[in-house]
Amino acid sequence: GQQVMQIPQYQHVQEGEDFTTYCNSSTTLSNIQWYKQRPGGHPVFLIQLVKSGEVKKQKRLTFQFGEAKKNSSLHITATQTTDVGTYFCAGRDQTGANNLFFGTGTRLTVIP
Amino acid sequence: EPEVTQTPSHQVTQMGQEVILRCVPISNHLYFYWYRQILGQKVEFLVSFYNNEISEKSEIFDDQFSVERPDGSNFTLKIRSTKLEDSAMYFCASQPGQGQKGAYEQYFGPGTRLTVT
Repeated sequence: GQQVMQIPQYQHVQEGEDFTTYCNSSTTLSNIQWYKQRPGGHPVFLIQLVKSGEVKKQKRLTFQFGEAKKNSSLHITATQTTDVGTYFCAGRDQTGANNLFFGTGTRLTVIP
Repeated sequence: EPEVTQTPSHQVTQMGQEVILRCVPISNHLYFYWYRQILGQKVEFLVSFYNNEISEKSEIFDDQFSVERPDGSNFTLKIRSTKLEDSAMYFCASQPGQGQKGAYEQYFGPGTRLTVT
């Protein structure tokens, strides 16, 4: 079945350092979304990428979708303590179904 | 800003009992979902619902699970005979659908923590 893996599983950074999480799907995706889940919270939508090779930016966050539409990355520049949480990628397969296959998540800790 | 709401926030039940988890999606949204998240693990898809019927379901969503949209606002997940391994956080999500702003974004509720003892 569909598998979406993320690395690293955990990342501890000093405030001000950069952070990157990588997402890899076992199958080609139609699109990919990124969600942030604060400790004890629920997933909150960040962005959707649809096109092969697409790059989108939201302030300090940069999202990329791979050329083969099987991988993606999220890069945060100059982390802040408010960035703490678990970042999940979530992909849709190419069957046209709407359900999301969530990645395993990367838990980010920012040390002040 | 509109939100997805879920009740109860925490449900404790004994193994073998039936539970109903309730969700009120955002009005005007067309697609509804249930996901679960075992503590410390990833979010797992259970079922999606569109146009008053199930559109997709995962292997987790077996005969013990059912969903209903009994009226225009509520969306429920029923587990008929709970097992210990059903203990998890259950999230409801809704999505606007094509033609609406943010058509493919899923808005998650705060979740119901189910504890089966």
